[in-house]
Amino acid sequence: DIQMTQSPASLSASLGETVTIECRASEDIYNGLAWYQQKPGKSPQLLIYNANSLHTGVPSRFSGSGSGTQYSLKINSLQSEDVASYFCQQYYDYPWTFGGGTKLELK
Amino acid sequence: QVKLQQSGAELVKPGASVKLSCKTSGYTFSTSYMSWFKQIPGQSIEWIGMIYAGDGGTGYNQKFKGKATLTVDTSSSTAYMDLSSLTTEDSAVYFCARGELLLYGVMDAWGQGASVTVSS
Repeated sequence: DIQMTQSPASLSASLGETVTIECRASEDIYNGLAWYQQKPGKSPQLLIYNANSLHTGVPSRFSGSGSGTQYSLKINSLQSEDVASYFCQQYYDYPWTFGGGTKLELK
Repeated sequence: QVKLQQSGAELVKPGASVKLSCKTSGYTFSTSYMSWFKQIPGQSIEWIGMIYAGDGGTGYNQKFKGKATLTVDTSSSTAYMDLSSLTTEDSAVYFCARGELLLYGVMDAWGQGASVTVSS
């Protein structure tokens, strides 16, 4: 199975700040990567797919980048509604696997 | 709009089985995939498997083979997941999520989740 290592596990940032979350795959996943946001008690919501494509309706302050085994999610100008957990997921190979998650809090 | 409505919370005894449902609306059920996921609160997410609603073809995470069985009822646009021989390790929240035909590894709509508690 492809292992997805996400960092940091938790992150505290101020409103308006830019934050970056990293995801490393145990092998090349050829941009088969998605990012999800999950608020407490809710289901995950798709943010980014194909490593850098913004899902419909997602604010443009979210962006994804990377290639090979290294990927990142950037949130520009952090808003209060961005407080959530974030997960990366690879869908290049079966079984599809997720990173351990990053819990983003406000400082 | 696309909606996935899951069945409610379940409290089941060890050794029993449970069948979760995911009723969909707002899109063409038969040309999409449905995946199921397991999440223990506070932890990450595991992919259980997927089913193509068009022909019922399935693919499972090896870890969940024998544990989960995925089916669909196209007449009611509903997907189901049977979990068998339940143990306390199966206590979790289970989500259904849609994968589009061409990018079925990407989940663009999710159900609200169904909590399963296995306890005697």
